[in-house]
Amino acid sequence: NAGVMQNPRHLVRRRGQEARLRCSPMKGHSHVYWYRQLPEEGLKFMVYLQKENIIDESGMPKERFSAEFPKEGPSILRIQQVVRGDSAAYFCASSPGTGKGNTIYFGEGSWLTVV
Amino acid sequence: RKEVEQDPGPFNVPEGATVAFNCTYSNSASQSFFWYRQDCRKEPKLLMSVYSSGNEDGRFTAQLNRASQYISLLIRDSKLSDSATYLCVVNSYYGQNFVFGPGTRLSVLP
Repeated sequence: NAGVMQNPRHLVRRRGQEARLRCSPMKGHSHVYWYRQLPEEGLKFMVYLQKENIIDESGMPKERFSAEFPKEGPSILRIQQVVRGDSAAYFCASSPGTGKGNTIYFGEGSWLTVV
Repeated sequence: RKEVEQDPGPFNVPEGATVAFNCTYSNSASQSFFWYRQDCRKEPKLLMSVYSSGNEDGRFTAQLNRASQYISLLIRDSKLSDSATYLCVVNSYYGQNFVFGPGTRLSVLP
């Protein structure tokens, strides 16, 4: 499958635990985006990364959330000390570049439930 | 003003109807435009790109009006399977790069 791969697809965490969500972009894509979607709400941008660099993290909560996209391996979205309000679908997307005509492709999402 | 705005709907239309959605964007320097479709509890999927001259794909027609900074999507002969949320996306080439609108929900009724 050459698409955007996310894992785990479903994750249950107790309040105060850590959640790590992984995303492998499509082959040849060096740009990764993370979005969060709360139940019955729209898609909210969180962070945009290129290899080893955070380009825009304007949508990331100031505390507990971090993201990385190392030179080797998948992009990781890390949520520390999860709270019930973190329960949401987290979508990763990738694109080959930023030029005109480039399109963004989504993974199937990681569904986080905090109990 | 939000960078990309859409009427949230819902639009409830009977099968076979024609329905149109509009989307407005604030960044006049935007270069690429897209419509995505999102089904309930699924990821957004590309429906079609929007070209300056307008483009058609089967029952779907997309138009771009740069002067007024809006994009439209027309769906003809609506099917039950068209029920979804339609997301307008603008590529701004800076910051978060791909900016999503809040989506317009469509329900096609039998």
